[in-house]
Amino acid sequence: NAGVTQTPKFQVLKTGQSMTLQCAQDMNHNSMYWYRQDPGMGLRLIYYSASEGTTDKGEVPNGYNVSRLNKREFSLRLESAAPSQTSVYFCASNADRRGFSYNSPLHFGNGTRLTVT
Amino acid sequence: GDSVTQMEGPVTLSEEAFLTINCTYTATGYPSLFWYVQYPGEGLQLLLKATKADDKGSNKGFEATYRKETTSFHLEKGSVQVSDSAVYFCASGGSQGNLIFGKGTKLSVKP
Repeated sequence: NAGVTQTPKFQVLKTGQSMTLQCAQDMNHNSMYWYRQDPGMGLRLIYYSASEGTTDKGEVPNGYNVSRLNKREFSLRLESAAPSQTSVYFCASNADRRGFSYNSPLHFGNGTRLTVT
Repeated sequence: GDSVTQMEGPVTLSEEAFLTINCTYTATGYPSLFWYVQYPGEGLQLLLKATKADDKGSNKGFEATYRKETTSFHLEKGSVQVSDSAVYFCASGGSQGNLIFGKGTKLSVKP
């Protein structure tokens, strides 16, 4: 029972490089989310997807793009990485159909620790 | 905008001590309230929730009561264990339908 799986676990990028963070869930959830976690800032929502084919901006979307490839997978892309994007990135999912997360609990992956030098 | 404020950490306690982590929210109406826990190296997981005023959420010996009059949802446990060492996040449903997290409180329990 894998739940939410994120890859990679760790990544180091140079400024200006690009990369895609992968996320997949096997719980048949409708909604998926990308958060970043920074010290003293808690979790901040980057993008979310209420269903396959739909995506919406969260609190801090600048510098990121997302793709909801199918119901299972939701990827986060950094086109030109910046040091300010050094963070721990969490993917999450839940059964909500509205794309917001306060009706059913969020299930989180174990995170991707990204460092941009 | 809406916000969640929880007590600053880190909090260090001895095993079997009483734990309180304060949390207040600003969203209007009757938002659902949550406590999530993050163990080292893992993602967050739901610890407990309450969806209406005076509800008490409970799980694994932790409790929190939804207090509308004080807009609070304080987390308590009567006797902490070393295995409770983690970061605890309070969260509230927001006025825009989103979920708002507090900044987290790190708890360390010493044997």
